[in-house]
Amino acid sequence: SQQGEEDPQALSIQEGENATMNCSYKTSINNLQWYRQNSGRGLVHLILIRSNEREKHSGRLRVTLDTSKKSSSLLITASRAADTASYFCATDATGTASKLTFGTGTRLQVTL
Amino acid sequence: DGGITQSPKYLFRKEGQNVTLSCEQNLNHDAMYWYRQDPGQGLRLIYYSQIVNDFQKGDIAEGYSVSREKKESFPLTVTSAQKNPTAFYLCASRHLAQTQETQYFGPGTRLLVL
Repeated sequence: SQQGEEDPQALSIQEGENATMNCSYKTSINNLQWYRQNSGRGLVHLILIRSNEREKHSGRLRVTLDTSKKSSSLLITASRAADTASYFCATDATGTASKLTFGTGTRLQVTL
Repeated sequence: DGGITQSPKYLFRKEGQNVTLSCEQNLNHDAMYWYRQDPGQGLRLIYYSQIVNDFQKGDIAEGYSVSREKKESFPLTVTSAQKNPTAFYLCASRHLAQTQETQYFGPGTRLLVL
């Protein structure tokens, strides 16, 4: 089962623009994580936000979490062509003993 | 170099054949995971292990088997009972400390059926 649903499924923007991806989930969580995957490669961890946090920043990344709406957003500012990848949210649900449940992903294309 | 490695990069399976995918980590992580990724989809958990000689089924364990005889190694066998094995398989690991929830991924193995 996949806990997270991501929106949009695909996003195409020009270099320099901001990209926003959204993730919704279904159950109580300990934390929510965002990962990036370049085509045909493994996933790379980007940022983690805990259930008692509302916003977190890391470089050009900004993540928000609204536990009342069971949703999160990832904002990439000043996008670069190298940001082209798929982005996945993953939830660490309460009581699931270290398992992550991944969303369906957003495919981001950044053009020059 | 610390990291997590998977081999082979590509694997071909004939009908009725069992194949084994390798996953090794030298990060001293306690937990290891196997995921399956189908084209354009997210990751689905096959099996995971939090300690040597113990493992649990994930969401799609049917047709797969694992072992965890050493902390560093968590091989996945795709058995002939798995009728649709073509997919990208990812292995991951992490510490079990509460403040170290990040999973680290290997580069993946692409399994194709001949």
